[in-house]
Amino acid sequence: EAQVTQNPRYLITVTGKKLTVTCSQNMNHEYMSWYRQDPGLGLRQIYYSMNVEVTDKGDVPEGYKVSRKEKRNFPLILESPSPNQTSLYFCASISRDSYNEQFFGPGTRLTVL
Amino acid sequence: TQLLEQSPQFLSIQEGENLTVYCNSSSVFSSLQWYRQEPGEGPVLLVTVVTGGEVKKLKRLTFQFGDARKDSSLHITAAQPGDTGLYLCAGVGGNQFYFGTGTSLTVIP
Repeated sequence: EAQVTQNPRYLITVTGKKLTVTCSQNMNHEYMSWYRQDPGLGLRQIYYSMNVEVTDKGDVPEGYKVSRKEKRNFPLILESPSPNQTSLYFCASISRDSYNEQFFGPGTRLTVL
Repeated sequence: TQLLEQSPQFLSIQEGENLTVYCNSSSVFSSLQWYRQEPGEGPVLLVTVVTGGEVKKLKRLTFQFGDARKDSSLHITAAQPGDTGLYLCAGVGGNQFYFGTGTSLTVIP
């Protein structure tokens, strides 16, 4: 079954404590992306990766890092989380063969106190 | 930032009614996607429109891409409670995606 997995699904942390949200896909897609979803703002792209070792900033990259060491994994790293990063985060794996269809993970709800 | 404005933001209708959701931008996109999102889940793709003026139908849902590839609409005929959800449009520009603000639809039985 084609799927995108994210972990953890829920996380409550404190300001400044480094954290990583993992994302993995089994569809062999080269293109992956991270979004945050906030009320009234929709989904905003944080970072994306067109292939292994290739990453680019999206619209809201400040305070985030990513890495793409292998095709299936695309972790999102918050080196020093702040309360304004409290949000719902989605990872997506994207098929270039079907007009960029995005397959989303189940989401990670992050609260930074 | 390329912004996509969706309207209305909230919509509550009775089962059997028709509705239209609009997605507008001042930017041109190579394609435009529509997603539906259920609470606690990620968005799921409904359709991608690629050509200006293109119309696609998915059962009771009709999607249209504007001639200038800046806007799109989603029309639902005879809405059903199962249509309830958050509808999102997303413009594709280069390698990036730009999502609209979303339309929360509730269909009352």
